[in-house]
Amino acid sequence: SQTIHQWPATLVQPVGSPLSLECTVEGTSNPNLYWYRQAAGRGLQLLFYSVGIGQISSEVPQNLSASRPQDRQFILSSKKLLLSDSGFYLCAWSLGEGWTEAFFGQGTRLTVV
Amino acid sequence: AQSVAQPEDQVNVAEGNPLTVKCTYSVSGNPYLFWYVQYPNRGLQFLLKYITGDNLVKGSYGFEAEFNKSQTSFHLKKPSALVSDSALYFCAVRYRGRRALTFGSGTRLQVQP
Repeated sequence: SQTIHQWPATLVQPVGSPLSLECTVEGTSNPNLYWYRQAAGRGLQLLFYSVGIGQISSEVPQNLSASRPQDRQFILSSKKLLLSDSGFYLCAWSLGEGWTEAFFGQGTRLTVV
Repeated sequence: AQSVAQPEDQVNVAEGNPLTVKCTYSVSGNPYLFWYVQYPNRGLQFLLKYITGDNLVKGSYGFEAEFNKSQTSFHLKKPSALVSDSALYFCAVRYRGRRALTFGSGTRLQVQP
């Protein structure tokens, strides 16, 4: 069966510090991978998605970047965090072909102080 | 614009009563619709989906949803609510040309004992 791991679960970082959140998927090959941000416990905003190694699509201009160094690894990064980067970050995956649901990790609560 | 709307921020229902969480969509062609549930500080859990076929879709934990093309709706329902159903519910749509889900703003369901 497929599983998705996302870490860390919580993170408190000072303004101006770098960020690296990691997400890995097991039990499938060539998945689509996604990073979403959820602000104030409500709606989800798609940040990035990837259909293959090294292929990143950015949905909104922001202070964040994403990379996919391996087939089942997706990393969310920032060189210098802003207060507005605080939020709940969710990684998700779906099958590469066909219209299927996405499966989510447990999320990372990021607080920038 | 292709989107999905959840008109209610919160729905309150007594335990044992039927519940409905509303969702309407605005998308051309044939939409693919999903419902997810989120418990506090957790990732989203997939409940059910409509791709094609029978308009009444059954999902996890006794939930079901009815696809109504004429009303462009996909309301989530359950015949008898449980206190443990209290959570945040998201409707989502995937439309042609995109690999990512677009989410509604979420509806908080509160089931009172």
